[in-house]
Parts: sequence; C-alpha cells; structure tokens
Amino acid sequence: GAGVSQSPSNKVTEKGKDVELRCDPISGHTALYWYRQSLGQGLEFLIYFQGNSAPDKSGLPSDRFSAERTGGSVSTLTIQRTQQEDSAVYLCASSLEGAKETQYFGPGTRLLVL
Amino acid sequence: SQQGEEDPQALSIQEGENATMNCSYKTSINNLQWYRQNSGRGLVHLILIRSNEREKHSGRLRVTLDTSKKSSSLLITASRAADTASYFCATGFSGGYNKLIFGAGTRLAVHP
Repeated sequence: GAGVSQSPSNKVTEKGKDVELRCDPISGHTALYWYRQSLGQGLEFLIYFQGNSAPDKSGLPSDRFSAERTGGSVSTLTIQRTQQEDSAVYLCASSLEGAKETQYFGPGTRLLVL
Repeated sequence: SQQGEEDPQALSIQEGENATMNCSYKTSINNLQWYRQNSGRGLVHLILIRSNEREKHSGRLRVTLDTSKKSSSLLITASRAADTASYFCATGFSGGYNKLIFGAGTRLAVHP
C-alpha cells in the first residue's frame, strides 16, 4: 500500500515568509509525528498527534511553528515568519494505534530559507 | 536535546566486512530502535529491541542492548555496497505513546 507522503519535496522561501508543509499518513494510522533534521544531525521531535487527543507540542521550537491535523488524517505544519535557522528537512511519520513503536517515515520536505 | 549518541560518527569498510555501530543513551527507556536513512531523506525502520531483551536478529542485522550500560550496538554482517547509508538509534519511552529521541547517526560507507 501507499506509504507516508509529504509535499512539497523541496521548498525555497525568503526570510520572513510563511510556509506550509503537508503530510499524508498511511491510511488507518492514528498516530502522526513531525520531526526536523538539520544538516548532518539527528532528528528533532516537533509535535505528535494521536486520534482526537490534544497534540503533544512540546518539541515546537517557537510560537512561529504550529501544526494541525484535520479529520484525523492529513497534517499541515506551518512556519510563520521563517528564519534562516529554520532551514532543514522536515520529516513526518505515522504509526498504528496498536504498534506505536514502529514509525513509518515519509520522504521529507527540504526547506531552504534564504 | 539528543538522547542517543552514536559511535563512530563515520565508518568506511569494504564489501564483505562486518560493520559495528554503537549507541549510548542517558535515561531509562522502554525500547530502542535502529533506523536507516539514505541520501538524507526518509528513514526506514530496521529493528526494535525492548528493554527486557538483550539481543535480536533480523537477516544480516544483529542488535544488542545493555541497559546497565545504557548502550546498544548494531552489527551488519557481510556488508554490501547497498548498505551505504546513515544509521540512527532512537530511544522510546513508555507513557502512552512512543516519542522517539534520535541520535546524530553513523554514516556508513561500504566500498565495492
């Protein structure tokens, strides 16, 4: 079946502009995660959604970052007033309710803020 | 902040040789996982080992976990050029969901 998809694959924006990144999880996966990976680094947890529960936003680096998950499926990560340090690969992952340990990752969105 | 620290940061070997990567972590965990990443994009789950397990095998992969030392190792036997990738360990915690904390990874290069 289809895996996790993300769009766009690449995004170049100017400092100060807002960007939206999209994630389509695997159908039937109730848990959805966003991570950020800076060049040559490991993944940094950003936010977690589980069903209708309040999301865990503990990893969001600033109030310029926000995320929504509509209808328990598609998620959008929004970065307002982008800064150069926001440049990174943004990865989305999803997992099954009964097997949260194994996360399935999308290909990521490479964001470059000029 | 990162929980896991992989060692070495980079590893270069010849095809057919074994590759060993190590991971150390700081706090108590529920499970530890290894992921592979090709070309800086999506990660692929390789293997999960729970805190009450000591060793696990999957094909050419062998993972060990020593909770007393807070460390894990990933062994890839008879490596192939296709194994060239970055390998990350990630620790998971109990408490309703599995928020993974990743290390910085080991970059493995397998030369033909």
